[in-house]
Amino acid sequence: QVQVVQPGAEMRKPGSSVNVSCKASGGTFSSFAISWVRQAPGQGLEWMGRIIPILGVTNYAQKFQGRVTMTADRSTSTAYMELTTLKSDDTAVYYCARDRGGRPFGYWGQGTLVTVSS
Amino acid sequence: QAVVTQEPSLTVSPGGTVTLTCGSSAGAVTSGHSPFWFQQKAGQAPRTLVYDTSNKHSWTPARFSGSLLGGKAALTLSGAQSEDEADYYCLVSYNGIGVFGGGTRLTVL
Repeated sequence: QVQVVQPGAEMRKPGSSVNVSCKASGGTFSSFAISWVRQAPGQGLEWMGRIIPILGVTNYAQKFQGRVTMTADRSTSTAYMELTTLKSDDTAVYYCARDRGGRPFGYWGQGTLVTVSS
Repeated sequence: QAVVTQEPSLTVSPGGTVTLTCGSSAGAVTSGHSPFWFQQKAGQAPRTLVYDTSNKHSWTPARFSGSLLGGKAALTLSGAQSEDEADYYCLVSYNGIGVFGGGTRLTVL
């Protein structure tokens, strides 16, 4: 049974960074890609990027290039999404999702609310 | 970057049929763009209904189906139920980069 677990919430100050974790249990972690999506309060979904742990390959949305880094620790089956130079409009729920059957977004985490406020 | 467009809101009667569409400013949406459809209910994480235009997961109710229609991706709901009231998002991929549509709020009334 696949489970994707994220922390519930993080608080940061403007200008700082956040590193959101995503632990995916069930199956061989490195064989599956992890996608990251965010949703600002009352807004739609926004694709941020994707990492394939076994290849160490990442794709990022142009909007986040230079500010986002996605990594994966195969020893703990945990993926991470670091976003730097945070601004108030980075306040959002950040979701990760693991592949299923070789296709993205098979299993979703419950999301991590990141609040950026002074 | 392409802009992906969806109807902001739609209403369907219980038991009725409705089609949600997903278009792109970059031209026709094709199977090569691997369109996905997601359902999100209030306060919940999204759930994937359809991937690669028309493929369903084991949890996708049979009343949902995906297709291509007139240069757009489409999600058809046949026999709407009250539990289908939710926000629906499409995702289109351009060379490995995903772009979500703005979402459609579906009301069953």
